Amino acid sequence: EDKVVQSPLSLVVHEGDTVTLNCSYEVTNFRSLLWYKQEKKAPTFLFMLTSSGIEKKSGRLSSILDKKELFSILNITATQTGDSAIYLCAVENGGGADGLTFGKGTHLIIQP
Amino acid sequence: NAGVMQNPRHLVRRRGQEARLRCSPMKGHSHVYWYRQLPEEGLKFMVYLQKENIIDESGMPKERFSAEFPKEGPSILRIQQVVRGDSAAYFCASSPQGQGEQYFGPGTRLTVT
Repeated sequence: EDKVVQSPLSLVVHEGDTVTLNCSYEVTNFRSLLWYKQEKKAPTFLFMLTSSGIEKKSGRLSSILDKKELFSILNITATQTGDSAIYLCAVENGGGADGLTFGKGTHLIIQP
Repeated sequence: NAGVMQNPRHLVRRRGQEARLRCSPMKGHSHVYWYRQLPEEGLKFMVYLQKENIIDESGMPKERFSAEFPKEGPSILRIQQVVRGDSAAYFCASSPQGQGEQYFGPGTRLTVT
């Protein structure tokens, strides 16, 4: 069974800090790893990673994948209160069900 | 381009009633996925549909739950004879292809009293 473990489960930092969120996974037939941000409503897509070592970047957010060690990190620099959310990591299995397997998420709180 | 639409946003049902949740995918997307999110749990895959076909329902409970995506109209997740344990947020996602990123709707919060 595919598995995704995220850490930490919750994190409280001050505005301006840099945070690193972790995601480790086990999947029988890896196709991609995805990051989502969930506030009070729909999870919104952040990144999709398929290749090791290639950083994806969008503004203050960046992410990288290590397919050998089976993990990914999501970095947020110069955090703002609007970054407060649950960050979800998911893996896509290329050989079986086409649904994503999600971790429980990291609940990030940015204090002013 | 409107995003994924779900309705209702909140649904209250008494035990034993039926719940119908609707999902309209993004324009141009023909692949629909349903997920359930229980309190303190991650999103759990339930079913994957294309127009008029169920592709994978491996995450769906065998009884009381069914899903469809007709040629015309939204996808529907139907829960018969609801029980308290069905209380959860149900999210729908769509994608233009059968792989890669999925775009989520705002969810339907089902409460069974």
